[in-house]
Amino acid sequence: SQTIHQWPATLVQPVGSPLSLECTVEGTSNPNLYWYRQAAGRGLQLLFYSVGIGQISSEVPQNLSASRPQDRQFILSSKKLLLSDSGFYLCAWSSQETQYFGPGTRLLVL
Amino acid sequence: AQSVTQLDSQVPVFEEAPVELRCNYSSSVSVYLFWYVQYPNQGLQLLLKYLSGSTLVKGINGFEAEFNKSQTSFHLRKPSVHISDTAEYFCAVSDLRTSYDKVIFGPGTSLSVIP
Repeated sequence: SQTIHQWPATLVQPVGSPLSLECTVEGTSNPNLYWYRQAAGRGLQLLFYSVGIGQISSEVPQNLSASRPQDRQFILSSKKLLLSDSGFYLCAWSSQETQYFGPGTRLLVL
Repeated sequence: AQSVTQLDSQVPVFEEAPVELRCNYSSSVSVYLFWYVQYPNQGLQLLLKYLSGSTLVKGINGFEAEFNKSQTSFHLRKPSVHISDTAEYFCAVSDLRTSYDKVIFGPGTSLSVIP
């Protein structure tokens, strides 16, 4: 069966520091991968999606970037964090029509 | 463009009472429909999905939903709720026209089960 991992689970970072969040999927090959952000008390905002290695599409302009160095690895990064980057970051995968989510990373920027 | 509306942002209900969470969508093409549940500080878990066939879809934890094409609705129901059902519920629609599995999520409904 397929599983999806995210780490770290929680992260507290100062403004201006870099960021790297990692997501890996097991049990499937060539999945579509997604990064979402969920602000406190709000819905999901799609940040990036990837249909293959090295193929990244951005949904909204922002302070973040994404990379897919391997088939089942998806990384979310920032060179300098802003206060507004705080939130709950969710990674998801799909191979057909259904998206499956990871446990999420809680990021607090101070 | 597609959109999803969840008419109730918060739904309080007593334990063992029935509940219905409403979802309406707008789309000019055929869609897939989903309900996800999110417990505090966790990711989203798929409750059920409608792809085709029977309009009544049964999911996990005793939930079911009915697809109504004429009313463009996909309401979620449970005949008797438990305390453990307290969570955020998201309705979602999949856009079949894109090259990837694009899913549009509703704003969510917070279900609070009162003992």
